[in-house]
Amino acid sequence: GAGVSQSPSNKVTEKGKDVELRCDPISGHTALYWYRQRLGQGLEFLIYFQGNSAPDKSGLPSDRFSAERTGESVSTLTIQRTQQEDSAVYLCASSPRAGTDTQYFGPGTRLTVL
Amino acid sequence: QKEVEQDPGPLSVPEGAIVSLNCTYSNSAFQYFMWYRQYSRKGPELLMYTYSSGNKEDGRFTAQVDKSSKYISLFIRDSQPSDSATYLCAMSAQGAQKLVFGQGTRLTINP
Repeated sequence: GAGVSQSPSNKVTEKGKDVELRCDPISGHTALYWYRQRLGQGLEFLIYFQGNSAPDKSGLPSDRFSAERTGESVSTLTIQRTQQEDSAVYLCASSPRAGTDTQYFGPGTRLTVL
Repeated sequence: QKEVEQDPGPLSVPEGAIVSLNCTYSNSAFQYFMWYRQYSRKGPELLMYTYSSGNKEDGRFTAQVDKSSKYISLFIRDSQPSDSATYLCAMSAQGAQKLVFGQGTRLTINP
């Protein structure tokens, strides 16, 4: 079946521009996670959605970062006024429910801020 | 101090060797332990999943958890070139919604 998909696969932008990254989770998965992976680093949790509950935004690094999810479908991660330190791979994962269920990852969006 | 420490490597071994990958952690509340494999320019994929202490074996892969030492390991037997990837440990506490990842170890198996 279809896995988690993300778009675009690559994004190059200029410092100060806004970017929007998209994640399509596996159908039926109620939990959705965003992570950031800097070069040579592990994954850094950003935000998590579970059904219609309020999202856990505790990992967002600044107020320039925001994310939305409509129901149990697509999610978008928006970074406003991008900075060079925002350059990273942004990974999305989904799982059947929150907690300890296996998280299935998408291929990521590689963001480069010039 | 990071919650999860993992030697980033890189680690290079000949084909057929036994590989040992390790992570240490500081949070005693962690109860769920995972190993993910990540190929270049791909998302991580779950390799092994263990609850609490003990061993788990799946083919050539064995995961070990020692909660008393706050130490987890992944062993790969009869390593193959196709095992070349970055291996990430991850863990979570009971009821926690997010995984805490190690830095990842880059592994190369040389034919």
